[in-house]
Amino acid sequence: AQRVTQPEKLLSVFKGAPVELKCNYSYSGSPELFWYVQYSRQRLQLLLRHISRESIKGFTADLNKGETSFHLKKPFAQEEDSAMYYCALSGSGGSNYKLTFGKGTLLTVNP
Amino acid sequence: NAGVTQTPKFQVLKTGQSMTLQCAQDMNHNSMYWYRQDPGMGLRLIYYSASEGTTDKGEVPNGYNVSRLNKREFSLRLESAAPSQTSVYFCASSESGWLYEQYFGPGTRLTVT
Repeated sequence: AQRVTQPEKLLSVFKGAPVELKCNYSYSGSPELFWYVQYSRQRLQLLLRHISRESIKGFTADLNKGETSFHLKKPFAQEEDSAMYYCALSGSGGSNYKLTFGKGTLLTVNP
Repeated sequence: NAGVTQTPKFQVLKTGQSMTLQCAQDMNHNSMYWYRQDPGMGLRLIYYSASEGTTDKGEVPNGYNVSRLNKREFSLRLESAAPSQTSVYFCASSESGWLYEQYFGPGTRLTVT
């Protein structure tokens, strides 16, 4: 079974402060991890994924297999980063096309 | 390129009524998905279709049925709506395989009274 845990439902920071959204996962095989974001009144969209190793909008995420974590980080938060963030896991191999989502963290960046 | 489209955007049903949510994608994706989003619960997979002609249950399939009409279209049917099905429903599509991102529709907000 695959599981994604986002321990914080709500996270509030001030503009310019560092932000870290936590994500832990449980999966017996080799996972692919994603971060999806939903801005107010917009559809859910991919922010970044582990395999691409990109930095998108200043956000980065490192897969730590030892700690089974994929935390999302940004050194200086902006007000436009306020959104709902979902961590998601996809399992390797076979016909497993399913994404398992965490329950989400609502990030608010205050001016 | 519209991406993933869903109809309707909003719907109010009475308990026991039926309805079908429509989803279409124009990206030639093989795989399509239906999720529901509830406060504090995140997104939960209802059904998915890995390819045209196949459908499989997800995490919360009870009370729903799906039809993969063709490669473009994937509909979700509520045969006898219940208040517990009040939710926001999202359709998504992707290339086949576990490494690909999913593209989401704008959602349908359904209220069952």
